[in-house]
Amino acid sequence: EDKVVQSPLSLVVHEGDTVTLNCSYEVTNFRSLLWYKQEKKAPTFLFMLTSSGIEKKSGRLSSILDKKELFSILNITATQTGDSAVYLCAVEADRGSTLGRLYFGRGTQLTVWP
Amino acid sequence: SAVISQKPSRDICQRGTSLTIQCQVDSQVTMMFWYRQQPGQSLTLIATANQGSEATYESGFVIDKFPISRPNLTFSTLTVSNMSPEDSSIYLCSVEAGVTEAFFGQGTRLTVV
Repeated sequence: EDKVVQSPLSLVVHEGDTVTLNCSYEVTNFRSLLWYKQEKKAPTFLFMLTSSGIEKKSGRLSSILDKKELFSILNITATQTGDSAVYLCAVEADRGSTLGRLYFGRGTQLTVWP
Repeated sequence: SAVISQKPSRDICQRGTSLTIQCQVDSQVTMMFWYRQQPGQSLTLIATANQGSEATYESGFVIDKFPISRPNLTFSTLTVSNMSPEDSSIYLCSVEAGVTEAFFGQGTRLTVV
């Protein structure tokens, strides 16, 4: 059975700290791994990763994928209170059509205290 | 990027009733997806809605409980039928997973009392 596992499930830090969020997966017909930030209801896209070892970076956020070990990490440096959210990892699997389906992890609840 | 309007944003419903959630996209898309997120859980795919054909349901979800309509390439509805408290969740629609990203509607927070 396909699955996506995120750790930790929750994390509390102070502003300025650096955090690393983990995502491991066991999905057949892997196509890509995506990270989302969910603040209220709707997830917003952060990164899509398809190749191993290539870091994607956006401001204080960065992410990298290891397709051999089947995991990805999301790093946030110099955290701010606005980073408080649930971070979701999703893996896209090919279902034999042009569009894959997404398998989501349970998310990491990040709380940043001032 | 696609803009998705989902409504209602939230609702409180009596058990045994039904609620229809609407999802409107600002561009034509081939496939639309409906997800459920129960409290503290991951997003779970309910079904994939194709225009002009019946929706494809994932294991554990059936058409009688979650009927879906897809009358055109910009619109879809999901109905949660004969609701029970266990149906209390966030329901999300999304479009076009994979090419660059999946775009999500704002979500519907459903509480069944």
